[in-house]
Amino acid sequence: QKEVEQNSGPLSVPEGAIASLNCTYSDRGSQSFFWYRQYSGKSPELIMFIYSNGDKEDGRFTAQLNKASQYVSLLIRDSQPSDSATYLCAVKASGTYKYIFGTGTRLKVLA
Amino acid sequence: EAGVVQSPRYKIIEKKQPVAFWCNPISGHNTLYWYLQNLGQGPELLIRYENEEAVDDSQLPKDRFSAERLKGVDSTLKIQPAELGDSAVYLCASSSLGGSTGELFFGEGSRLTVL
Repeated sequence: QKEVEQNSGPLSVPEGAIASLNCTYSDRGSQSFFWYRQYSGKSPELIMFIYSNGDKEDGRFTAQLNKASQYVSLLIRDSQPSDSATYLCAVKASGTYKYIFGTGTRLKVLA
Repeated sequence: EAGVVQSPRYKIIEKKQPVAFWCNPISGHNTLYWYLQNLGQGPELLIRYENEEAVDDSQLPKDRFSAERLKGVDSTLKIQPAELGDSAVYLCASSSLGGSTGELFFGEGSRLTVL
């Protein structure tokens, strides 16, 4: 079992729809969770981080964390073609500054 | 404020040749990471530095890879000799141990092609 798992996609959604991206992790002691967006040929950039159970909203993005079930998700409302990218889930291992990344989910927003 | 700077952006070499990548982190960031990213995969940690100390190099193939971070600022990652399977993007990232978000800041990456 991989430490951080994501569906590689592609996930295709029409413009204006909600895109839902999911991530599961194996280290139950993990404390910090991050979503990075990576455009093709570019480096990852942080779009959301979440530490506590529940939802965290920032503009069109909502991160959801459920530590009991060991999953974290990212919702993108009113998806735009410019949101088309690979979304990487990263988990900070407990007690360290080691970040473990999933393989990423490729999102395609269709105009 | 300048971001993480990496060079070269692209490098094409023949197998068995050496190659080196350089990274200058964001000023004041004491933690520096080298990640390897293959096409369609997420970044995989090669080595992590806290200041000048390599605190996690368990994933670094030490038979051919080496890294250094002299004076706790710039870092160099070297491969000697390169193999075909080393073709990938080498990402450098930095963060501040005292930072509030724990965010990693990535450089643009160095894309290596081994022929």
